[in-house]
Amino acid sequence: AQKITQTQPGMFVQEKEAVTLDCTYDTSDPSYGLFWYKQPSSGEMIFLIYQGSYDQQNATEGRYSLNFQKARKSANLVISASQLGDSAMYFCAMSRVTGFQKLVFGTGTRLLVSP
Amino acid sequence: DVKVTQSSRYLVKRTGEKVFLECVQDMDHENMFWYRQDPGLGLRLIYFSYDVKMKEKGDIPEGYSVSREKKERFSLILESASTNQTSMYLCASTISDRANTEAFFGQGTRLTVV
Repeated sequence: AQKITQTQPGMFVQEKEAVTLDCTYDTSDPSYGLFWYKQPSSGEMIFLIYQGSYDQQNATEGRYSLNFQKARKSANLVISASQLGDSAMYFCAMSRVTGFQKLVFGTGTRLLVSP
Repeated sequence: DVKVTQSSRYLVKRTGEKVFLECVQDMDHENMFWYRQDPGLGLRLIYFSYDVKMKEKGDIPEGYSVSREKKERFSLILESASTNQTSMYLCASTISDRANTEAFFGQGTRLTVV
């Protein structure tokens, strides 16, 4: 079974600083994908970044990067140069790559960026 | 513009009522999902469907059923609503057989059972 664990219910960071949001996962599938989503107070789910289990390099998308450590089963999100608009809930998720592509989420981390 | 549309933004139902939550996507996606979101519990998967008339239980299927008669529509059914089913319900869809398949979400339905 797939499982995502996010152990930080809340995180605080000052504007312009970097912050790391933790995510660990558990799966018996050899191929899988890892995702991060942002949910602002308005409620919509915004896709941020994807990492495939066989990707050689860590994924990056603008100010977002994914620190993927396969042996440790971790997929932490790093946000560089935080902005006030980064204040939101952040969810880590995973899916199989083939077969039943069940998509499971963690409990989320609420990030608050202060001026 | 890709779209996942949930039929209602807010619903108030009485205990024991049969409740239908509808979700429609216009992207020809094979996979569709129903989640409930509760504070501190994240998004928990109720059911998902990988094809028309095909469904799989998620992590919390008790008290729910689903229907997928057409590819674009995935319905969540609360057979007899109870107060512990008060929650935010999110529908999502993904394309199949692609590795980096991003999920597209509806706007959510906030259901209150009184």
